[in-house]
Amino acid sequence: DTEVTQTPKHLVMGMTNKKSLKCEQHMGHRAMYWYKQKAKKPPELMFVYSYEKLSINESVPSRFSPECPNSSLLNLHLHALQPEDSALYLCASSQDGTSVTEQFFGPGTRLTVL
Amino acid sequence: AQTVTQSQPEMSVQEAETVTLSCTYDTSESDYYLFWYKQPPSRQMILVIRQEAYKQQNATENRFSVNFQKAAKSFSLKISDSQLGDAAMYFCAYGRGNQFYFGTGTSLTVIP
Repeated sequence: DTEVTQTPKHLVMGMTNKKSLKCEQHMGHRAMYWYKQKAKKPPELMFVYSYEKLSINESVPSRFSPECPNSSLLNLHLHALQPEDSALYLCASSQDGTSVTEQFFGPGTRLTVL
Repeated sequence: AQTVTQSQPEMSVQEAETVTLSCTYDTSESDYYLFWYKQPPSRQMILVIRQEAYKQQNATENRFSVNFQKAAKSFSLKISDSQLGDAAMYFCAYGRGNQFYFGTGTSLTVIP
């Protein structure tokens, strides 16, 4: 299984809502990533988990809260978002967090904040 | 932070022809990886090809090949016999440790 899955595919939320994005992989990868991508722009790194520990937080606002319950699962909890947070949120995984191998990307969650 | 530059925001190619996408990067490291990723309009990002910096031989994957010039810090992607399914955004990326740095992307159109 060489797949990263993300749910939901689409999400529309108001600025006062609380929602969560989910990412799952069963490739035995020990590094997982959250990226934010605006249209026709490259992905922007948000968070990196390595061996279930948060290793990189790219100065992301606290209204985004990541969680890694186990090595296969990565969540992104959303609260009090702003319309400018509307974007495609991509999850990725790689073999581990030290040696570079390619990142495998999920299909993304298209988030719209009203 | 490392920088990755793709100077061609848009490119087009006739079907069955060859096109080359450019990428340059800036680093003081000697050990790193370079990647080309493809993101079709359906949005799933997939790996096209990778190159380890310590390998002098250029990577090749079927119709896709790279021209890796380490001293010049250049990493271009050549697509031969272009097909309609090659139409996508192409991102060049630099990787070291658990950090990836993406270029700004090149939008490739394939003309039938």
